Formats: sequence, C-alpha cells, structure tokens
Amino acid sequence: QIVLSQSPAILSASPGEKVTMTCRASSSVSYMHWYQQKPGSSPKPWIYATSNLASGVPARFSGSGSGTSYSLTISRVEAEDAATYYCQQWSSNPHMYTFGGGTKLEIK
Amino acid sequence: EVKLVESGGGLVKPGGSLKLSCAASGFTFSSYAMSWVRQTPEKRLEWVASISSGGSTYYPDSVKGRFTISRDNARNILYLQMSSLRSEDTAMYYCARASTTTGRDFDYWGQGTTLTVSS
Repeated sequence: QIVLSQSPAILSASPGEKVTMTCRASSSVSYMHWYQQKPGSSPKPWIYATSNLASGVPARFSGSGSGTSYSLTISRVEAEDAATYYCQQWSSNPHMYTFGGGTKLEIK
Repeated sequence: EVKLVESGGGLVKPGGSLKLSCAASGFTFSSYAMSWVRQTPEKRLEWVASISSGGSTYYPDSVKGRFTISRDNARNILYLQMSSLRSEDTAMYYCARASTTTGRDFDYWGQGTTLTVSS
C-alpha cells in the first residue's frame, strides 16, 4: 500500500511570496492530484494528473513531479489561497485511493 | 450542473448500522465510477469504497466486510451500507465522482453527511 507524506504540515507565507509544498510517495506513482479545502467546505479539485489546473484555478498555481516526489507551487501567494491542500493518488493493483495528510497554508 | 447530495448521517451506537445515500444529477450517472471518501475529526481524508460503472466494488481493508457500496442507476443514487460501526468510523462522509481523466482523481464532491459513532 502506497503512503503519501506531505510537507510541511503548516506553511506560513506573506502575500506575494512564492511557496512550494511537497507530496512524497512511498513507492513510485504515475500521477498525483491535489485538492484545496477551506473550513466548512468539501475538498475542491485543484490540480489533476500532476500538472493540469482544474477549472477556475488561478494560473499562479502549478504542479510538477514524477516518481515518488510531487509538488504544488504558488508563484505569488494571495490571501484567498489560505486553505489546506491534500495530495491524492490512485493505484490499480490493488485498486486503491490514497490521500496525504495535508499542508495547511496560512497567510501572514 | 453536476450535483451530489448526501444524506442519512446521524448518531449511531458502536456495533450499529446505518445507510448513507447520495443523489446525483447533472450527468449520466450510470457512466461514471463513484466513491465514498470520509474525513475524520482530525481532518484526515480516507477513501472508503468505490463502485465502477459496471458494478465492480472496491474497499480498503479498514472497512472490508463491514461496508457495502451500491448504486441504483435508474434513480441516480449511490449508497453506502455500514454495519458493525466503530468509534473510528466517526467522520464526515463525502460522495465523489471519479473523473475519466488520467490517473483517477475525484472531479466532483458532495457537501458531506456526518456520522458519529458513540454510546
């Protein structure tokens, strides 16, 4: 079973800063997906298949990675980006979905 | 507009049972794999069950034998029958649609229904 580890657990940034959060898999995976969740709301699809922005996601977000290491980068953080970001992968054998523990982004 | 609306959550005693429902609209329900994902009080997301468009079902070991996912394509409803409930099943339960894009992400989520297992 693949385990996803996200770091850091909490990320504090000032508006305009560039930030990167990481998701590491215990074994190589083909793709990584990311979700944004704000308090009181369900997770929103944010980045799919490693580097594709979901509908409505600002272009300041980007995703990259391969193998066991994936990342989500915000080129210039804005106040509205404050949220928890979760990574997720799917494996076919066995059929299983796995989520990371999340990175909470706080804006100073 | 795709909509997923969960219902059926509540307070259940350990060892009890409950059935959750998810009403889907705005897309051809029968053509998509569907899943249940839960979020624990500690905010951890956990995959709970999946059902393919053809009816094949999948579960993690933590719920296998206790939970059953099913679907009614005529009524566009997804179900999760839960039995032998434990305190660790306490969570917000989300219904989610599996996308058809590469890598199987969840492209739509419902608003969730809360299950509390406590005596």
